[in-house]
Amino acid sequence: AQSVTQPDIHITVSEGASLELRCNYSYGATPYLFWYVQSPGQGLQLLLKYFSGDTLVQGIKGFEAEFKRSQSSFNLRKPSVHWSDAAEYFCAVGAQDTGRRALTFGSGTRLQVQP
Amino acid sequence: NAGVTQTPKFRILKIGQSMTLQCTQDMNHNYMYWYRQDPGMGLKLIYYSVGAGITDKGEVPNGYNVSRSTTEDFPLRLELAAPSQTSVYFCASSLAGSTDTQYFGPGTRLTVL
Repeated sequence: AQSVTQPDIHITVSEGASLELRCNYSYGATPYLFWYVQSPGQGLQLLLKYFSGDTLVQGIKGFEAEFKRSQSSFNLRKPSVHWSDAAEYFCAVGAQDTGRRALTFGSGTRLQVQP
Repeated sequence: NAGVTQTPKFRILKIGQSMTLQCTQDMNHNYMYWYRQDPGMGLKLIYYSVGAGITDKGEVPNGYNVSRSTTEDFPLRLELAAPSQTSVYFCASSLAGSTDTQYFGPGTRLTVL
């Protein structure tokens, strides 16, 4: 069965600084990978997704993520963080060839942005 | 195009009461899901449906029931509320299954006292 680990529960960065949120997955074949963002009191919104092809994917709000098969990772990055990026971020994995029909989510990383 | 809508936004229940959380999507998606979100625990899948008339259990189905009589609606029923069901509940939908983008509703915050 697939699983997702987000090692960092809480990260604080200064506004304008770069950001990297870590995500490691466990799955035997090529996974379908997603990053979602949840602003306080809101539902989850898709930031970006990886299915195949170029391992560096671009998303909304200036975010990007890189799929590294050798490290089983799909880390999220942003070159310069804005105060509005403060939110909780979830990595998720889907799989086509298993009986599971839903995504498996990590436990999330809460991002705090300091002025 | 409203996407995924959920009602109510907030609810307080007493132990043993019942209630139904409503979820509607207007994107003609085949797949619909119910998740619960507990602090620090991410999202856990309660039930999902692959189409009208077809539902299946997720990771944490105990204490809940679902039905899917139409493509648009996927209500979640709590029969005998317990404090352990205090959580935030999210409904989601997708066109395909676990390889497709899921669209989430705004959530229902439920407290059982």
